[in-house]
Amino acid sequence: EVQLVESGGVVVQPGGSLRLSCAVSGFTFDDYAMHWVRQAPGKGLEWVSLISWDGGSTYYADSVKGRFTISRDNSKNSLYLQMNSLRAEDTALYYCAKAEYDILTGPDYWGQGTLVTVSS
Amino acid sequence: QSALTQPASVSGSPGQSITISCTGTSSDVGGYNYVSWYQLHPGKAPKLMIYDVSKRPSGVSNRFSGSKSVNTASLTISGLQAEDEADYYCCSYAGSSTWVFGGGTKLTVL
Repeated sequence: EVQLVESGGVVVQPGGSLRLSCAVSGFTFDDYAMHWVRQAPGKGLEWVSLISWDGGSTYYADSVKGRFTISRDNSKNSLYLQMNSLRAEDTALYYCAKAEYDILTGPDYWGQGTLVTVSS
Repeated sequence: QSALTQPASVSGSPGQSITISCTGTSSDVGGYNYVSWYQLHPGKAPKLMIYDVSKRPSGVSNRFSGSKSVNTASLTISGLQAEDEADYYCCSYAGSSTWVFGGGTKLTVL
């Protein structure tokens, strides 16, 4: 069974930093690209970032480019999102999601999300 | 990276069919056959219902179908059931390995 479990969401002050983690199981992690997607309270889904199977290629939404960094550790079956210079508008439920296969494919399996709140 | 346009809400009675539209541009929906649809129930992980415009993942009911015409994709649910009540989001490839979601549609089963 495919499982993705996000962690690391907390309350952080504007301008602060945070690293989210996503532990996966039930599939061969290093065969697949991975996505991060977020949902602000009362809002729709927003694609955040994508990483290739080997971590060699990364992509970002304009809203987070230069502030967020996606990475992965295939030896630990884990995906990460380093979030710097956080803003109030980054407050959201952050989901990690497995890509159908490569960087040209969208999310198929998702976790249940971890909540990040940016507030003073 | 502007969000795709979906109706805020749709509704239907049990047994009826409904269609949710997802309108983009030639740079996303119209430019690629990479449109997916997701079902969101509160407190649960989003579920993939349709991928590559019209393909159904294993385990998804054949009551769900997808299509596309020019810059608009559509999700049709036939034989509506109470458990179909949820939020639905479309998602399209937007080039350069970026993706864009729709604003979401709340489906109410009357």
